[in-house]
Formats: sequence, C-alpha cells, structure tokens
Amino acid sequence: QKEVEQDPGPLSVPEGAIVSLNCTYSNSAFQYFMWYRQYSRKGPELLMYTYSSGNKEDGRFTAQVDKSSKYISLFIRDSQPSDSATYLCAMSAVSSASKIIFGSGTRLSIRP
Amino acid sequence: DAGVTQSPTHLIKTRGQQVTLRCSPKSGHDTVSWYQQALGQGPQFIFQYYEEEERQRGNFPDRFSGHQFPNYSSELNVNALLLGDSALYLCASSRDRGNEKLFFGSGTQLSVL
Repeated sequence: QKEVEQDPGPLSVPEGAIVSLNCTYSNSAFQYFMWYRQYSRKGPELLMYTYSSGNKEDGRFTAQVDKSSKYISLFIRDSQPSDSATYLCAMSAVSSASKIIFGSGTRLSIRP
Repeated sequence: DAGVTQSPTHLIKTRGQQVTLRCSPKSGHDTVSWYQQALGQGPQFIFQYYEEEERQRGNFPDRFSGHQFPNYSSELNVNALLLGDSALYLCASSRDRGNEKLFFGSGTQLSVL
C-alpha cells in the first residue's frame, strides 16, 4: 500500500465550476500537508500548505486537512482554463530533515 | 530574484554511462533536495543536502550520489545508467526548518537508451 493515495484522473470540468481534489494517507506521523501545481514540462509549484488539521484559504483555493480520517482536500472556486495542470498532494512528518512524500498527481482540465 | 535553476534541461545517455546534473538553489536557501519523477507519477525523494552533507536519503541505490558545494549549489550523479533511470530529475531548495516550503526547478529530462 502506498503511503499517499491520489486519484490520477483525468478530471475535466467546465470553466467556473468548483473543483475538489483529494488524497488519503496511511502514516499518522505526517504533520505538514501541501498542494503543488505542475504544468507540463515544468517543476511543481507550491500552492498551499497547512500544519496539522484544519482549513486554510488563499484566494480561490481552500485546503482542508482531516487527520482523524487521514484525508486532505483542495477546493478550487471559479475555476479558470489557466488552472488546467496536474495537482500533487504532498506530506511530511515533523522534522526539518524529513523527506516529503508526494501523491501521484491528478490531471485537471478546465473546459472554456 | 532567480529561482531554482537546473542544467542541462535535457540529456540523452546510453545504458552503463554516467551522468551529472546540476542545481543552483533559490537565493537565501541553504538546503537542496533531489527528486525523481517518472512519467505519470509524483516526485520520489532521492536525498537531501544541508551544510555539504547528505542529511537524509530515500530508497535509491548507491548508484545515485550527490554533492553540495559551499555556495549551496548541488550535483546529482548517477552511475551505470539503466533504462529505468529515464525520468525528470527535479531539484528543490528550501531554508532549513522550512522543509514544507520547497521551491522546485524545471528539472532535467534524462533519457537512457
């Protein structure tokens, strides 16, 4: 079983829709939770990070962490064609030297 | 402010050869991590360098080695290349204790024939 599971998609939604992306994990030691966006032929770009459980909002993006269920989500409101990319969830335990574990990514396409 | 820069952007090698990839971290960052990303997969952690030492390592064989220089730049070396080493190699930098905020370069696409 992988430490982090993510639905690979692809997910296709119309412009303006609310998008929900999710990951589950098995390691209860994870404390930091991140979402990265990766465009084709580019490196991942950090979108959101949260520590422990709770919600965090940044513009059109909201990240949610439910440690009791080992489940994290990213919501995108008013989705735009420029949001079309692969979204990677990532997690790490509490340590500055701790390696970050990535999900396999969900490919998202926003139709104009 | 320059971000993380990697060179070369593309590389083609044959099985058994050796390769060296290079990375310059974002200004102000002192920690460099290397990741391997196979097609359709998420990045997999290779190792992390801080203060010129390998601080942590993922599940990669000894054929993968690295180095960090006093100016914080880093190299990834892969010996005895296998077809399965074909992937996008990503360098990420961060400030120590800011591990959750990795900044990635655009990567080096390595093809092994």
